[in-house]
Amino acid sequence: AQKITQTQPGMFVQEKEAVTLDCTYDTSDPSYGLFWYKQPSSGEMIFLIYQGSYDQQNATEGRYSLNFQKARKSANLVISASQLGDSAMYFCAMRDLGEDSSYKLIFGSGTRLLVRP
Amino acid sequence: GAVVSQHPSWVICKSGTSVKIECRSLDFQATTMFWYRQFPKQSLMLMATSNEGSKATYEQGVEKDKFLINHASLTLSTLTVTSAHPEDSSFYICGGAQAFPPRDTEAFFGQGTRLTVV
Repeated sequence: AQKITQTQPGMFVQEKEAVTLDCTYDTSDPSYGLFWYKQPSSGEMIFLIYQGSYDQQNATEGRYSLNFQKARKSANLVISASQLGDSAMYFCAMRDLGEDSSYKLIFGSGTRLLVRP
Repeated sequence: GAVVSQHPSWVICKSGTSVKIECRSLDFQATTMFWYRQFPKQSLMLMATSNEGSKATYEQGVEKDKFLINHASLTLSTLTVTSAHPEDSSFYICGGAQAFPPRDTEAFFGQGTRLTVV
């Protein structure tokens, strides 16, 4: 069963505006972590932000913030003041214990963001 | 952020040969290493998870004898694609993490390796 769902295959945003990328997840593990990564066309995975399941506050890192709604099992990424360099693929990922009790990091299908000048 | 170095960044090999990809964590101890395969315009598919000093845990459908993973130290993991065939051509990327607090909030990735089997 798919554990991480990103329903937006592609998004456009005007430069300097804010954009929200959606991510929902499913896990029975009470302790889990949620990550967002940016993947430019060069292929490397750039870590953006992390939210732990027990964190009371929403995570923020510069222009990135995570809208964590635990009851709804959603962890949306908000990028404020979009820049042209933000154009890339964005992946949501979840760390939890797999069925075999091993640490796993599973990715969603990704959202391609295009920032318009 | 922490640095994970993956080598080589690209490789072309002949069908039937083996290729080794290295993944090194340069400034942290990666208690857990992840190996992924990514097809064009698709997501990262987890192949296996390895913990230092123990056998890798492979995902369902991943051939253990074909994709050999070794995690001999806290800074080095290797993926060997044995008897490579054209269908193994893909982008392979590794990630490293400290799986236990207080640094379990971090997981960093290498630059990826583009494998082409001809």
